[in-house]
Order: sequence, then structure tokens, then C-alpha cells
Amino acid sequence: AQSVTQLDSQVPVFEEAPVELRCNYSSSVSVYLFWYVQYPNQGLQLLLKYLSGSTLVKGINGFEAEFNKSQTSFHLRKPSVHISDTAEYFCAVSRKAAGNKLTFGGGTRVLVKP
Amino acid sequence: DTAVSQTPKYLVTQMGNDKSIKCEQNLGHDTMYWYKQDSKKFLKIMFSYNNKELIINETVPNRFSPKSPDKAHLNLHINSLELGDSAVYFCASSQDRQGGTEAFFGQGTRLTVV
Repeated sequence: AQSVTQLDSQVPVFEEAPVELRCNYSSSVSVYLFWYVQYPNQGLQLLLKYLSGSTLVKGINGFEAEFNKSQTSFHLRKPSVHISDTAEYFCAVSRKAAGNKLTFGGGTRVLVKP
Repeated sequence: DTAVSQTPKYLVTQMGNDKSIKCEQNLGHDTMYWYKQDSKKFLKIMFSYNNKELIINETVPNRFSPKSPDKAHLNLHINSLELGDSAVYFCASSQDRQGGTEAFFGQGTRLTVV
């Protein structure tokens, strides 16, 4: 079985400042890694995913994440946030032969302040 | 054009009632899912269907019964509703059941049991 830990439940950040959201996972087999964003009262939208290859993954809205196999981490970063980035961010994993079941972390709420 | 649509968006009902949530996707995807998001925002998979066949059935009370009349629809019927069933239920779809495939989420159905 796999599990996902998001180390920060809330991250306040000022507009135009950088932000990093931490995600660690544990799994006995190789996994695929995802970051989803949930804006208030909406569904989840994929920001980016890592399947294989380059460990630095670029996503939508200026977000990027780095896969670190030795540290079993997949941290999400954005160099300069906007007010519109205020949302809940979820890290998730899936396995190759598990029917594309997503296992989510507990989420990190990002609050961007002016 | 909504890719994954759920109805209703809000549902308030009394304990003991039976209710259904409908989901439709117009993406031509083969695989559909139900996820539950609790009051602490934690997301967990409940069921997954691939081409109308049940492929994931997590530990969910048997009061919950999914039905997939065709691969574009996945409905969730809940019998004898309990207070603890209050949550946001998300429908999602993906092109196939392979791990690493992007899941597209609906807007969610907020179920409140009183």
C-alpha cells in the first residue's frame, strides 16, 4: 500500500513571493506522482504529473515540481504567486497496475495575501 | 461544455432516506470513479468502473451502490443515509485504467444529512 504526506496543512504567503508545498510518499513499488489544485467550491484540476524521465516537471499556471526518488519527495513550487493561487493543493500517487486509483495527501491550503 | 458533470450540486436530506447522485462524462473516457471528500478535505476513492465493469471497490458500507448503465455514466445510490455520510462526493473520469492517466473531476456534490 502507498501513502502520501503533505507536511504543511496551511501555507500563508504574500503576493509575488515564492511558495513551496512539500509532499512525501511511501510505496513498496514505483508510483506515478501528481499535484492537483482545488479552487473554492470546485472540483480538482491537474497541475502537473510525473510519470518518468526528467525529474523536474513543469505544469500549468507557472507551477513546477521536482521528483526526488532517494527522498521519496515531490515538492511543488511557484516562484511568484498571485491572489488567484489561493486554493487547496493535493499531492497524489497512483501505481501502474492499480486501476489508476489515486491516493491523496491531506492537502495544503495556500492563502495568498496582498 | 462541462466535461464531467454531476447532479445535484447540493443535496440536503434526512437520516434514513435513500438518495442518488448522477454523473456523466462527455470525454469518451473508459474509466469513471467516485471519490469522497470529508469535512477535513481528505479525499478517498470509493469505486471505479472501466467500461461498465467494477474494478475498484474500496472498503465502503454496502449502503453505497454504484451503477454504470453505460461507460459515460456512473451513478451513486446511497441507502439509509447516516450523519457520517455528509461529505462532498466527486465523480471523475480518465481515458483508461492505466496508472498515470489524468483524472478529470466533476464539480462535486455536497451531501448534508440532517
